[in-house]
Amino acid sequence: GENVEQHPSTLSVQEGDSAVIKCTYSDSASNYFPWYKQELGKGPQLIIDIRSNVGEKKDQRIAVTLNKTAKHFSLHITETQPEDSAVYFCAPRLGAGSYQLTFGKGTKLSVIP
Amino acid sequence: EAGVAQSPRYKIIEKRQSVAFWCNPISGHATLYWYQQILGQGPKLLIQFQNNGVVDDSQLPKDRFSAERLKGVDSTLKIQPAKLEDSAVYLCASSVGETLGYTFGSGTRLTVV
Repeated sequence: GENVEQHPSTLSVQEGDSAVIKCTYSDSASNYFPWYKQELGKGPQLIIDIRSNVGEKKDQRIAVTLNKTAKHFSLHITETQPEDSAVYFCAPRLGAGSYQLTFGKGTKLSVIP
Repeated sequence: EAGVAQSPRYKIIEKRQSVAFWCNPISGHATLYWYQQILGQGPKLLIQFQNNGVVDDSQLPKDRFSAERLKGVDSTLKIQPAKLEDSAVYLCASSVGETLGYTFGSGTRLTVV
């Protein structure tokens, strides 16, 4: 959506390196910030999310950090593996009072063995 | 638990024909969404249901698209007549009303020729 910007659009990393994807949103009332992973031929799958009262959340090799003042949040993947290759979408909930998510345009991550 | 079921997986039709997609959400999920994902883009919300009522259909092209959710469970999305630009993957997702994570189905890939 035009209120959500995601960078970079493509990212290639060597296996074992880290990957970082950034998402910028426009609505200061946003309070829920998920990241989705989409593999070829499948629907998006929620991999990690964060609420507005938390600055960072980790789940094994995946982490999300949130900067509400600057209105951006980032996905961090450490020790990347070939199976991490996919398209990643940020999908913040813009505004309050709705469960709708607005998806970014996606980042195609390629992990080179 | 069983995931979100969608059918058919693929559909090819000629322009001006009609087509229908079916979705069975996760049992107990009150909220159901239909998204359109054009190749290379993020999913875009078409319509949101809460039980069998429409919460938001502001982005649904109502001159050609229609959707219903019978008895607050299964849902169908129809396009009539189809245009070339309707070629996309149509994703259904569901969520428990009070939580914010979606579960997506694998989608229906529509090609209009």
